[in-house]
Amino acid sequence: DQQVKQNSPSLSVQEGRISILNCDYTNSMFDYFLWYKKYPAEGPTFLISISSIKDKNEDGRFTVFLNKSAKHLSLHIVPSQPGDSAVYFCAASGEGSNYKLTFGKGTLLTVNP
Amino acid sequence: NAGVTQTPKFRILKIGQSMTLQCTQDMNHNYMYWYRQDPGMGLKLIYYSVGAGITDKGEVPNGYNVSRSTTEDFPLRLELAAPSQTSVYFCASSYSIGGLKGEQYFGPGTRLTVT
Repeated sequence: DQQVKQNSPSLSVQEGRISILNCDYTNSMFDYFLWYKKYPAEGPTFLISISSIKDKNEDGRFTVFLNKSAKHLSLHIVPSQPGDSAVYFCAASGEGSNYKLTFGKGTLLTVNP
Repeated sequence: NAGVTQTPKFRILKIGQSMTLQCTQDMNHNYMYWYRQDPGMGLKLIYYSVGAGITDKGEVPNGYNVSRSTTEDFPLRLELAAPSQTSVYFCASSYSIGGLKGEQYFGPGTRLTVT
């Protein structure tokens, strides 16, 4: 049973436009959410996170939105750049979980010049 | 800081062989984790440790063992390798201070093939 779902395996956008990556979760005990970016043959790198007490967190071109009632979060990248092309993983952890992360399957973002 | 380092980068094993994947972090993080990533899948937690001398199972621990004798090192042992253990293995570490959560930092991965 997948507790963190990324239903879009891939997304293609034009350079300069907005990229929106979506993530749904089923476990209501999750209280901390993260986005990781992964290039081929490298480990995932942390991008941005959000606590369940917030509904938005922004860091430069990256914004994460959290809708707890819908158990949905999204990552917005504005403006998208070719260097943003990578696999993006959504991850979640819950209180008392020893910060263990549950990952989605990832979305491959391609930003076309 | 080197961050999280993993060795080897690649390895081919024969069925039934054993090996140890090494992981070291120099950030003085108390938490360390081992994940595996199969093609088209997300990362799945194998084992984790909340500090030296303390380890616990994750989602997919069968066929693996770990130890944590120091804060820095968290080796993963494969006994009797099987083709189902063909995967990319990632080690990660994170900190916790006063209940505040920190993000996990990942190593570059070890690509293991069992034939």
